[in-house]
Amino acid sequence: DAKTTQPNSMESNEEEPVHLPCNHSTISGTDYIHWYRQLPSQGPEYVIHGLTSNVNNRMASLAIAEDRKSSTLILHRATLRDAAVYYCILFNFGNEKLTFGTGTRLTIIP
Amino acid sequence: KAGVTQTPRYLIKTRGQQVTLSCSPISGHRSVSWYQQTPGQGLQFLFEYFSETQRNKGNFPGRFSGRQFSNSRSEMNVSTLELGDSALYLCASRGGQGSYKNIQYFGAGTRLSVL
Repeated sequence: DAKTTQPNSMESNEEEPVHLPCNHSTISGTDYIHWYRQLPSQGPEYVIHGLTSNVNNRMASLAIAEDRKSSTLILHRATLRDAAVYYCILFNFGNEKLTFGTGTRLTIIP
Repeated sequence: KAGVTQTPRYLIKTRGQQVTLSCSPISGHRSVSWYQQTPGQGLQFLFEYFSETQRNKGNFPGRFSGRQFSNSRSEMNVSTLELGDSALYLCASRGGQGSYKNIQYFGAGTRLSVL
């Protein structure tokens, strides 16, 4: 399985944008980049996914590097409820399972 | 639509016993996956069922087994429990269209404690 590398932890101030990086240098052409987050005492929650182009939805934006070896999840205006562990995962149609890494623990400072 | 429902939420068992966990997927979803989450190993894939057939399997011993029923509900069984089986067991279902068919929707999990 292709691997992803994320910082163990990050802090951000409330109401400021947050940029969560992810490196995936061994990504294959058919791997989708998925982001999930896990709030305390809950199961993981889908955030966003993309293949090559940048993506936006109501929760976040996903910026994908041109060579696809890295990506950034952008929370435009962090709130205390965004404090969670964020996982960057590569999903391949052939494998069809999520391989979670250790993720980034995001702390929001009021 | 109702989300993924896992029962029970909490379980306490002793070593050597067996346990069965239940998962009801989102209505219309035919794929159900199971994951184990521990502080040391993180989230690890156990297996996936689709239309009552196991389609994918992680690296877990044969003590971990599962099945899926015709209504897509799934059960996971762990036999001969060990202390190291203490974990949060998560179930996820999927069933969208196109690239969205790979999005997994997770339940809140069953926390198993083995004493």
